[in-house]
Amino acid sequence: GQQLNQSPQSMFIQEGEDVSMNCTSSSIFNTWLWYKQDPGEGPVLLIALYKAGELTSNGRLTAQFGITRKDSFLNISASIPSDVGIYFCAGRGGSEKLVFGKGMKLTVNP
Amino acid sequence: ETGVTQSPTHLIKTRGQQVTLRCSSQSGHNTVSWYQQALGQGPQFIFQYYREEENGRGNFPPRFSGLQFPNYSSELNVNALELDDSALYLCASSVGLAGSEDTQYFGPGTRLTVL
Repeated sequence: GQQLNQSPQSMFIQEGEDVSMNCTSSSIFNTWLWYKQDPGEGPVLLIALYKAGELTSNGRLTAQFGITRKDSFLNISASIPSDVGIYFCAGRGGSEKLVFGKGMKLTVNP
Repeated sequence: ETGVTQSPTHLIKTRGQQVTLRCSSQSGHNTVSWYQQALGQGPQFIFQYYREEENGRGNFPPRFSGLQFPNYSSELNVNALELDDSALYLCASSVGLAGSEDTQYFGPGTRLTVL
């Protein structure tokens, strides 16, 4: 099935460091979403972006909707141990279908 | 306000069997989407239901079917199970029509193992 190109696939960082991840698509999207998934749980929405160029923050998280509408990034500042998990980007074009990336596994060393 | 719930949490079936997974939408939500998440992958869209009608389908064969009920709860049915159907099945509910600025809230998923 279709998936977005999400990178990096995993990151190991020290507590307090910043981390960035990005997502690219060959298709134009109208919506970009960033989710976090903990083991045994469903994805939880972190940030939603609806306009090209939009920059949105949610606490220590900042995400941007790329101008080309084919990419997005998520930045986490001053990481803490509870940031551990798998982060997914997801995009939606003109239909109801959400397309997800493969995920980025984040490990934070205290 | 209750969140999205799914049942059962885990299920083991054998090849060729049929399975029904259930989802209870968040209160006030009339749209439900189902996703298949294989190990180490992102969720893959199966289909969506809006007001009891299918409103879009991903690249899954017809043996994957669904229902949405008047109370907006939903079922995912899979016939003739194959080994590759082993995955976490997620449902997500949202308010309003697909494509609008709706937020999809995911349930915890049902882990299906096909032996």
